[in-house]
Amino acid sequence: DIQMTQSPSSLSASVGDRVTIPCRASQSISTHLNWYQQKPGKAPNLLIYAASSLQSGVPSRFSGSGSGTDFTLTISSLQREDFATYYCQQSYNTPRTFGPGTKVDF
Amino acid sequence: QVQLQQWGAGLMKPSETLALTCAVYGDSFSGFYWSWIRQSPGKGLEWIGEINHSGATNYNPSLKSRFTISVDASKNQFSLRMTSVTAADTAVYYCARMRATVTTIFDYWGQGTLVTVSS
Repeated sequence: DIQMTQSPSSLSASVGDRVTIPCRASQSISTHLNWYQQKPGKAPNLLIYAASSLQSGVPSRFSGSGSGTDFTLTISSLQREDFATYYCQQSYNTPRTFGPGTKVDF
Repeated sequence: QVQLQQWGAGLMKPSETLALTCAVYGDSFSGFYWSWIRQSPGKGLEWIGEINHSGATNYNPSLKSRFTISVDASKNQFSLRMTSVTAADTAVYYCARMRATVTTIFDYWGQGTLVTVSS
């Protein structure tokens, strides 16, 4: 199985901050990497697919980069509604695996 | 607008069999894979498996032996069955649509069902 790691598990930020969230795969996955946002009590919501493509309806302050084993989700100017947990997920092969998440809070 | 609505038992006793169903509204049922994913505090998000409209399945090898995913394409529904539940299976279970683009994505999710296993 491909292991996905995310560190830190949480980070503190303020409204207006530029936030970067890293993700690493245990082997090369090319650009088969997706990012999801999850708020308490809700299902995950797709933000970025194929490492850098913005899902329809997602604000342009979200962007993704990377290939191979190292990836980054960037929020250019953090908004109040962005305080949530962010998960990366590899779509290179099965079993499809997720990272443990990074929680962005105050 | 695609909607996934799921239901099933929320409180179970050890050794019982879990059954969850997910209904799909608002779009074609064929042309996609339909997945079950669970989330627990201890293991995070864990992909269980997937099925397409004709019944072809893929499972997580670490979980396969206790899980069965089935489909009723005439009703646009798919189901999860898990035998011999234990406390370790306590989690929120989600159904989700998997769509193939330049990669595969989970683009629509059900609302989640909290399954608690307790004696």
